[in-house]
Amino acid sequence: EAGVAQSPRYKIIEKRQSVAFWCNPISGHATLYWYQQILGQGPKLLIQFQNNGVVDDSQLPKDRFSAERLKGVDSTLKIQPAKLEDSAVYLCASRAGGGARDTQYFGPGTRLTVL
Amino acid sequence: QQQVKQSPQSLIVQKGGISIINCAYENTAFDYFPWYQQFPGKGPALLIAIRPDVSEKKEGRFTISFNKSAKQFSLHIMDSQPGDSATYFCAARAGGTSYGKLTFGQGTILTVHP
Repeated sequence: EAGVAQSPRYKIIEKRQSVAFWCNPISGHATLYWYQQILGQGPKLLIQFQNNGVVDDSQLPKDRFSAERLKGVDSTLKIQPAKLEDSAVYLCASRAGGGARDTQYFGPGTRLTVL
Repeated sequence: QQQVKQSPQSLIVQKGGISIINCAYENTAFDYFPWYQQFPGKGPALLIAIRPDVSEKKEGRFTISFNKSAKQFSLHIMDSQPGDSATYFCAARAGGTSYGKLTFGQGTILTVHP
């Protein structure tokens, strides 16, 4: 089966500009996650969707970050305006469900550099 | 209480040696403990996982040892190979309605010298 797809793979912007990332999860996966991975650290969850509803956005900086999941499939994450500290890799992951389907599958990530 | 602490930050072993990475947690609600492997430029990929009702799980050269009373778990890589050079993350999931939310450790950069 196809994996989690993300685009773009790399993005360089100036601070105060806006940027958007796109994620296409594995077909049929109900749960979708966006993580922020700062260099040298583990991924940190930003937002979690179950189908097209948000179940956890407690660590999303809502003054500048927003995310949506259209029709419970694709998702976009937007930053507006970007700050220098937003430089990181943004990972999208998806998961089929509970029990034996616990595994989260990650995409390759989008590396964002804010200058 | 949601933290997962991982050590060491970096590890260098010789080919054929044993690599050991340790993690500790506080939240007793965690019910699933995966290890992820990440190569440069790639997303993390599940390597092996364990639930707290067993003390050890082995898959090939990779073994998780789990100590529920100490709230610690570790990854052992036997016969380490240069191809194992990567960053390893432990993680933990709280059960219930968390929909699989994972809390990750800080990562260990493993280098295996030929």
